[in-house]
Amino acid sequence: GAGVSQSPSNKVTEKGKDVELRCDPISGHTALYWYRQRLGQGLEFLIYFQGNSAPDKSGLPSDRFSAERTGESVSTLTIQRTQQEDSAVYLCASSLAGGPQNEQFFGPGTRLTVL
Amino acid sequence: RKEVEQDPGPFNVPEGATVAFNCTYSNSASQSFFWYRQDCRKEPKLLMSVYSSGNEDGRFTAQLNRASQYISLLIRDSKLSDSATYLCVVNRGSNYQLIWGAGTKLIIKP
Repeated sequence: GAGVSQSPSNKVTEKGKDVELRCDPISGHTALYWYRQRLGQGLEFLIYFQGNSAPDKSGLPSDRFSAERTGESVSTLTIQRTQQEDSAVYLCASSLAGGPQNEQFFGPGTRLTVL
Repeated sequence: RKEVEQDPGPFNVPEGATVAFNCTYSNSASQSFFWYRQDCRKEPKLLMSVYSSGNEDGRFTAQLNRASQYISLLIRDSKLSDSATYLCVVNRGSNYQLIWGAGTKLIIKP
């Protein structure tokens, strides 16, 4: 079956511009995560959606970052007024249910470069 | 101190050798532990969960030491295809959030 997909795969933008990243989770997966991975570093948790519960936004680094999810399907991560330090790979993952014991399946990521 | 720490490597190992690496975590309340594998410029994929009694999956063995707060991964009879970065992942106490180590890079040489 289809895995997690993300678009675009690469995004180059100028400092100060807004960007929107998209994630399509595996069908039927209720949990969805966004992470950021800077070069040579581990994954940094950004936000978590589980079913119809309020999302956990505790990992968002600033109010320039926001994310939405439509029901249990597609999610978008928006970064406003991008800065050079936002350059990273943004990874989306989904799992069958919430909880750390459930395997997370990752999309290929969006590589964001802010000039 | 980072919540999850790993030796970044790289570990350069000849094909067929055995290699092991450790990961330490700081939150004594952590309950879930995993090793993920990440190939260069690819997304992470689950390699194996780590159980309290230790567990084995083919050539891979994972161990958990709660007293010292570390987990380990042992790879026997290493293959060229084992070359990757191995990410140690721990949940934050009773929370579902996973904390990711920066990874240990493994290079298997022919």
